[in-house]
Formats: sequence, C-alpha cells, structure tokens
Amino acid sequence: EADIYQTPRYLVIGTGKKITLECSQTMGHDKMYWYQQDPGMELHLIHYSYGVNSTEKGDLSSESTVSRIRTEHFPLTLESARPSHTSQYLCASSESGASTDTQYFGPGTRLTVL
Amino acid sequence: AQTVTQSQPEMSVQEAETVTLSCTYDTSESDYYLFWYKQPPSRQMILVIRQEAYKQQNATENRFSVNFQKAAKSFSLKISDSQLGDAAMYFCAYREGSQGNLIFGKGTKLSVKP
Repeated sequence: EADIYQTPRYLVIGTGKKITLECSQTMGHDKMYWYQQDPGMELHLIHYSYGVNSTEKGDLSSESTVSRIRTEHFPLTLESARPSHTSQYLCASSESGASTDTQYFGPGTRLTVL
Repeated sequence: AQTVTQSQPEMSVQEAETVTLSCTYDTSESDYYLFWYKQPPSRQMILVIRQEAYKQQNATENRFSVNFQKAAKSFSLKISDSQLGDAAMYFCAYREGSQGNLIFGKGTKLSVKP
C-alpha cells in the first residue's frame, strides 16, 4: 500500500464546529487531491494542488478550504460543519511528470456531522 | 466534457470463475490514460491496472486483464479465477494526457460467492 495517511479515520461532531482533516504523504509527490465520496460511493473531486502554495477547486463545489504549505501535507478545513457535510473524504497524491501519473489513495476519513 | 460510464451497479461471481466489468468513456482526445481502481469494504482504494491509449496491447496484471477497444471507447476489466478477496467496489477512471485530473465512473460493486 502507498505511504499516504489520513487522520482521523472516523469523526463524529456537532453542527457548527470547525474541523480539519489531515492528509500527509511520504512519497514526495507534487500533486495532491481531496475527493468526497457519497453514500452511493460516487467520487467527486473537491480540491487539488499541483505543488506548494498551489490550490484549486475541483468539479464539485465544496464549502471546505485547503492549504498546501508543505509538499507532504494537504489539510482540509471546514469552518462550520453541517449535516450536509457528512461523507467519506479521500485524499490522494501523484507524482508530477511521471508518464502515468498514478494516483495513490489514503484510507479515508468518515465524517458524521450531527 | 469527458464522461465515464459503468453500466453495472452490482455484479456477482462464483469463486474461481471469471467475471467482466464494463466501462465506457466519451472523449475527443487521442492522448489519455485509463485506470481500474479497487476499493474493498472499509479499506484503501488501490490501483488494479492501467492502460495507455496509445498502446494497442491490452494491459495484464496477474489475474486481471483489460479489453481496450479504442474505437468503441470501451475499457472492460476481466477478473479470472475470482477470489473472495476480490470482493470490492471497482471504479473505472479516465485521465486526459499526463496532467489532467481523474474522472471516475460511479463504480461497480462486485460480490464473490464461495
């Protein structure tokens, strides 16, 4: 399995709380991604980064924000969690310049907002 | 816009038998890559197999092989000698060129019967 980590693995919080989902990788990959996986298992890209200080919004609009201050770290923050944010969040990374640019995924964070 | 379609929400196979998962995609590009990812229950998403569009030869990884029909824009996954550990969600994904983001299908849930 790839060296990409997510914490916490499970989180149950109340509405209005600020939360940060952590994602880190030890492979030195330039590119990192956040996906939201709905109960039907469909994956939606919500944020991505092609390097330090680079962040972009994905295909699915999200109220979350991300930062990329260090290559290995790509945290996702929700300023005020709501029940609609309940979902599985997957982080991934890939190597820029590689011909196949394969994405490696973390184990995911299952978030429940009450 | 590129799209990826997996027309089989669920599939079932008997242990030791062969199963084929379907995937079609829509693109006007000539340079792209195709992937099959596997997500076991409560476990990490991992890459099963990948195919470069410029390669005519179908990719093979042990018991997993693809049938890549470029003209038909079809990319099916064949699993031979199915094992209980093959039970998972399988996602087909498309990437344009070497820098694009992945576009995923909605997934196929594969069950393996002992």
